[in-house]
This record gives sequence, structure tokens and C-alpha cells, in this order.
Amino acid sequence: EVQLVESGGGLVQPGGSLRLSCAASGFTFRNYAMSWVRQAPGKGLEWVSMISGSGENTYYADSVRGRFTISRDNSKNTLYLQMNSLRVEDTAVYYCAKDPGDRLSGDAFDIWGQGTMVTVSS
Amino acid sequence: QVVLTQSPSASASLGASVKLTCTLSSGHSSYDIAWHQHQPEKGPRFLMKLNSAGTHSKGDGIPNRFSGSSSGAERYLTISSLQSEDEADYYCQTWGTGIRVFGGGTKLTVL
Repeated sequence: EVQLVESGGGLVQPGGSLRLSCAASGFTFRNYAMSWVRQAPGKGLEWVSMISGSGENTYYADSVRGRFTISRDNSKNTLYLQMNSLRVEDTAVYYCAKDPGDRLSGDAFDIWGQGTMVTVSS
Repeated sequence: QVVLTQSPSASASLGASVKLTCTLSSGHSSYDIAWHQHQPEKGPRFLMKLNSAGTHSKGDGIPNRFSGSSSGAERYLTISSLQSEDEADYYCQTWGTGIRVFGGGTKLTVL
């Protein structure tokens, strides 16, 4: 069964840091681009960042560029999101999502995780 | 940059059909999109990928009640024989090199 399981969420103060993980199973992880997507309370889905299958190419939404870093360990089938300089507006459920391939030109997400909650508050 | 526009809400009766719309911004009418369903307290679920010709490819296990179509810059998701579990938020999504874009979502209420 293809599965994505996020972890690492929690409560953090503004200006703090947190690292999210997404454990993948049921497919050859290194062959697929992966993304992080978030949903703030009462809001819609917002794409955050994506990484190519090899990890060589990374992209970010303007709202997180310079503060968040996406990475992956293909030997551990795990995707990461290092979040620094966190702001109250980063409060959201964070989902990892898989592309159906590894095209830099992009594609639809075909598998989603169940999400992990990040709360930024003093 | 491409923008996707969705109506914030829609409603239809149990057993009826509903058609949700996603509109691509000017100059982007040829883009493919995807539809995703997001039920409360769950992760989103991929429903289908839809191109400008109206050809769609559905995700694994998606019932035949879900179908897609296109007209110009509009992409549609039609759900027939509505069931209570169809009550959810529905998002359209598109993409480009190094970017993914979501519409604002439509909250579907099944009456």
C-alpha cells in the first residue's frame, strides 16, 4: 500500500524552529518528486515547497522562501521540511504529497499524507 | 502566474448531481488541472486529472459517480448520485516548472 505519514508537528514560539518528516512506503521513493502543502485554520490549501526525486532541484513559495528548507533522504524513504524563523501565520496542518513522476514541469499530486499540525504561538 | 478560481460554496440534495467549476486565469486556458477532495479530519484525496479536451484520468478507487469535463478556461467536476460522504471541500490544482497552484476550494454541502 502506498502511504505517506507525517510527523514532527507541535507548538513552537514565534521565531522558533521545527523539522517535519514524511515517511514514505509502498513505492520507489527516489523516483518521485515530493511536495509540502499546508492548510491554515479556516483557509484553503497552499503549496509550500517541492523537491525533485534526486533532491537536486528545490522550489519554494514566496511566503516561506529563505526560512524553510526542503530535503529528502532516499536511503530512508523520508522527506523533510526544516522550518526556521517561524511566524504566527505559519500555523497550519502540513501535508506531504507525491507527484506521479519526477517531471520538473510538474504534475498533479496523486498521493497525500494525513497531515501534522504546527502551531506557532507565544 | 496562473490563478484558479472556484466558487466558495455549493449545495445539492442527497441522490442528486452537482457540477463544480474551476476557472483558469486569462492566458492559461490550455492548462491541465487536478481535482482533490478534502474531507474533515482527513488528508486530501486525489480524484482525477483533467485536460483541456475534457479527458480525465481518475485516481485508484474513485467511483464512477465522479467525472470531469472542460469548456474553454473552465474545468468541471460532476458528482452524480450524491452521498452524504461526498460532503467535503473540493480543490482544483494546476502546476508549472517549480510551482504548484491551488484554487480557493469549494465547500460542498449535501442536503
